[in-house]
Amino acid sequence: QKEVEQNSGPLSVPEGAIASLNCTYSDRGSQSFFWYRQYSGKSPELIMFIYSNGDKEDGRFTAQLNKASQYVSLLIRDSQPSDSATYLCAVKPYGNNRKLIWGLGTSLAVNP
Amino acid sequence: DGGITQSPKYLFRKEGQNVTLSCEQNLNHDAMYWYRQDPGQGLRLIYYSQIVNDFQKGDIAEGYSVSREKKESFPLTVTSAQKNPTAFYLCASNVDRGEVYGYTFGSGTRLTVV
Repeated sequence: QKEVEQNSGPLSVPEGAIASLNCTYSDRGSQSFFWYRQYSGKSPELIMFIYSNGDKEDGRFTAQLNKASQYVSLLIRDSQPSDSATYLCAVKPYGNNRKLIWGLGTSLAVNP
Repeated sequence: DGGITQSPKYLFRKEGQNVTLSCEQNLNHDAMYWYRQDPGQGLRLIYYSQIVNDFQKGDIAEGYSVSREKKESFPLTVTSAQKNPTAFYLCASNVDRGEVYGYTFGSGTRLTVV
C-alpha cells in the first residue's frame, strides 16, 4: 500500500516566523511531489511542485526533496496570517498512472 | 480564462434520490478525477478517467457512477446506493504529458442529504 504521511497538526507559528511542513512517502520510486494549500471550505490549490533532489524556491516558499530519505518538506518564510490553511502533500508514484497519492494534510495557524 | 467549473456549488438530496454533479474543463486536459472529502479527512478518489470513453474505479466507487463522453466533461452521479453521501466533492484534471504537472481543481460541490 503506497502511503503519504503528514503530521496533522495544528502547527502554530507567530507571524514573521518560518513554518516547516513535512511529508514522508513509502514508494521509493515516486517521481513527482506536490504541495497544495487548502483554505477552509475551499478547494486545494497547487503552490509548489518538485521532482529533483534539493531545494526549489518560489517567493516565500521553498520545497525540499530528499529521495534517499523519502521525505519532502515545505518551508514558508515570513509567515503571514493569510498562510493559515491546511497544506496537502501529494506524490506521483512510479509508473504511467497519473493518480496522485495524497497525505491527510497539516493544519497551519499563523498567529498575528 | 481556462479552468474547471463544478456545479452546483451546493446540492441537497433527499433519501433515495440520484443526483448528478457537473464538472466541465476547458484546459484541454486528458485526465479527470472525482474526489470526496469529509470534514477533517483527506481526499479519497472515487473515479478517474484518463481518456474519453474510458474510466476506472478509485478507492470508494461503490454507490457512484460516471461517464466520459466528451473530453471536457466528467459528470458524477451519486446514486441511492451511496448510504452516506454528505460530503464535499471535488473534480480535478491534469494534462497527459511530462511528470511535473499537478492537478487543477474545481471549486467543489457540497452535497447534503436532507
